Amino acid sequence: DAKTTQPPSMDCAEGRAANLPCNHSTISGNEYVYWYRQIHSQGPQYIIHGLKNNETNEMASLIITEDRKSSTLILPHATLRDTAVYYCIVRVGNGNTGKLIFGQGTTLQVKP
Amino acid sequence: GAGVSQSPRYKVTKRGQDVTLRCDPISSHATLYWYQQALGQGPEFLTYFNYEAQPDKSGLPSDRFSAERPEGSISTLTIQRTEQRDSAMYRCASSLALGLGGRNEQFFGPGTRLTVL
Repeated sequence: DAKTTQPPSMDCAEGRAANLPCNHSTISGNEYVYWYRQIHSQGPQYIIHGLKNNETNEMASLIITEDRKSSTLILPHATLRDTAVYYCIVRVGNGNTGKLIFGQGTTLQVKP
Repeated sequence: GAGVSQSPRYKVTKRGQDVTLRCDPISSHATLYWYQQALGQGPEFLTYFNYEAQPDKSGLPSDRFSAERPEGSISTLTIQRTEQRDSAMYRCASSLALGLGGRNEQFFGPGTRLTVL
């Protein structure tokens, strides 16, 4: 599975959009981009995933560049409850294992 | 069940003792994963099951670690002769099935915090 690079930390003002970048320059054609987050000591929580096209759900939007070498997770109106560690993961969607390889992630601090 | 449950939530043991951790996945989920998470780090894959089969044990740190899922539902993770470096949060996750394409969301349990003195 491809390796990802994320900034270690970011701040965002409450109510503003939070844009979390991720580099995955070695991504393969059959690998998806997944985002999970971990709030405090809770277990990781799935946010969104995508292959080529931009995706949006009730939690966030995912923008993937045309060459697929990087992506951005967008939380449109960040709240204090969005303070968490955000993990960008790339892996094969139809892979034999489905295991997730977490990196260090980005610690997002949403401030009032 | 409503979600993934794990027991115990906290376990303190002395070095050299054996411990067994339990995971109850979501009832309809075929696939079950175990992860180890050190303080301040992301979870690290240990092993996974597809029903009763255990196709990948590559993340288990040593032969002191073993996992079972004999009936394809509840799973246990056993650590023999515990060492202080085994202290960590152990997390279980389950997902509906493999081979579903992109959407193969893993649902995580609350974890078991293991402390080895």
